[in-house]
Amino acid sequence: EIVLTQSPGTLSLSPGERATLSCRASQSVSSSNLAWYQQKPGQAPRLFIYGASSRATGIPDRFGGSGSGTDFTLTISRLEPEDFAVYYCQQYGSSPPTFGPGTKVDIK
Amino acid sequence: QVQLVQSGAEMKKPGSSVKVSCKASGATFSSYTLSWVRQAPGQGLEWMGRLIPMLGTVNYAQTFQGRLTITADESTSTAYMDLSSLRSEDTAVYYCARDSGVGLFDFWGQGTLVTVSS
Repeated sequence: EIVLTQSPGTLSLSPGERATLSCRASQSVSSSNLAWYQQKPGQAPRLFIYGASSRATGIPDRFGGSGSGTDFTLTISRLEPEDFAVYYCQQYGSSPPTFGPGTKVDIK
Repeated sequence: QVQLVQSGAEMKKPGSSVKVSCKASGATFSSYTLSWVRQAPGQGLEWMGRLIPMLGTVNYAQTFQGRLTITADESTSTAYMDLSSLRSEDTAVYYCARDSGVGLFDFWGQGTLVTVSS
């Protein structure tokens, strides 16, 4: 199965700053089938990005995804208070679908 | 808009089984795939398996082979996750999620906490 690693583990930033989250796969993710989810405490994950760079319905354009092959990035251009959460990358190009361990974006 | 509503929290003894339900609304139940994903306390997400009601097909993650059974009742648009031989490591929040068919999860249930303790 494809193993995903995320860095950093925690990102401490202030509102208005730019956040760059990294996701690396142990082997190439086919067809850029890479997604990003946001999870807040006590809530289910929410799909934010799919196909490496497509925003899910209702996701603001300050969120951007990029990358291909084994290296992917989620960028939040200007952090809003509601963006502080844990972000998971997930590949769905091969079975089983697997998730990274998450990056926590917290308030500095 | 798809909505997935799960059954309530469960407390179980080691060695027993748990059955969690997931009732779907807002779309034709048989038209989509449902997966189960779990999250141990303070940990990441782990895919467990999926059901394709239209095909009657079930796929399980290797980790859960032999212990996990996923079923559905199309008459009530409800899916079920049955995990047996529970151990303390199975303590987790269990989520159902609509699956694109290849493992992209666009709608999630609210989660069901299963606690396994003697």
